[in-house]
Amino acid sequence: GENVEQHPSTLSVQEGDSAVIKCTYSDSASNYFPWYKQELGKRPQLIIDIRSNVGEKKDQRIAVTLNKTAKHFSLHITETQPEDSAVYFCAASEASNAGGTSYGKLTFGQGTILTVHP
Amino acid sequence: DGGITQSPKYLFRKEGQNVTLSCEQNLNHDAMYWYRQDPGQGLRLIYYSQIVNDFQKGDIAEGYSVSREKKESFPLTVTSAQKNPTAFYLCASSLRGGANQPQHFGDGTRLSIL
Repeated sequence: GENVEQHPSTLSVQEGDSAVIKCTYSDSASNYFPWYKQELGKRPQLIIDIRSNVGEKKDQRIAVTLNKTAKHFSLHITETQPEDSAVYFCAASEASNAGGTSYGKLTFGQGTILTVHP
Repeated sequence: DGGITQSPKYLFRKEGQNVTLSCEQNLNHDAMYWYRQDPGQGLRLIYYSQIVNDFQKGDIAEGYSVSREKKESFPLTVTSAQKNPTAFYLCASSLRGGANQPQHFGDGTRLSIL
């Protein structure tokens, strides 16, 4: 099955700096890579995702890059703000087949605790 | 993601007791999922369902059971066979099943042992 490794486990930056979180995956068949932000005690929220036919995607201060050959993808946050402080999770989606039906499931990384200091 | 409702928010289980966590969605999503989150760790998949009356085991299904009798409901039962049930349980749904569907989460249920 899929294995996702996420680094770093903690990341501390000053307000206005950039933050980069990296993930590697093992299954070359994975084709969908979402990123989630989870504030303490709350639900994970999808912030950006990328599919394997795209190398980069941007949404305001957030961008994700994907290198299919190396099997890694990264989250980039520019001009960080204190409200960006949270735990960030990457995930990779693999397809499996059972009884002739295709199923999909996400495998999550271990998470990165991002702290943005004012 | 107000369309996914989990209840209760907090739940306590006694030794040897089965407890059921509720997950309801009004998004008309076909697929639903249950994850377990332990402190400082990522989400691990317990069960998932792509359509009504169908579900598949995830990575840590032992000690858990589910049903999918209605499209909008996917309850999770934590049985007495699950020896370490204390965790944060998250339900999610996606418009369709399949490998590239965005999943959206409920607010979670925190389960503890009495």
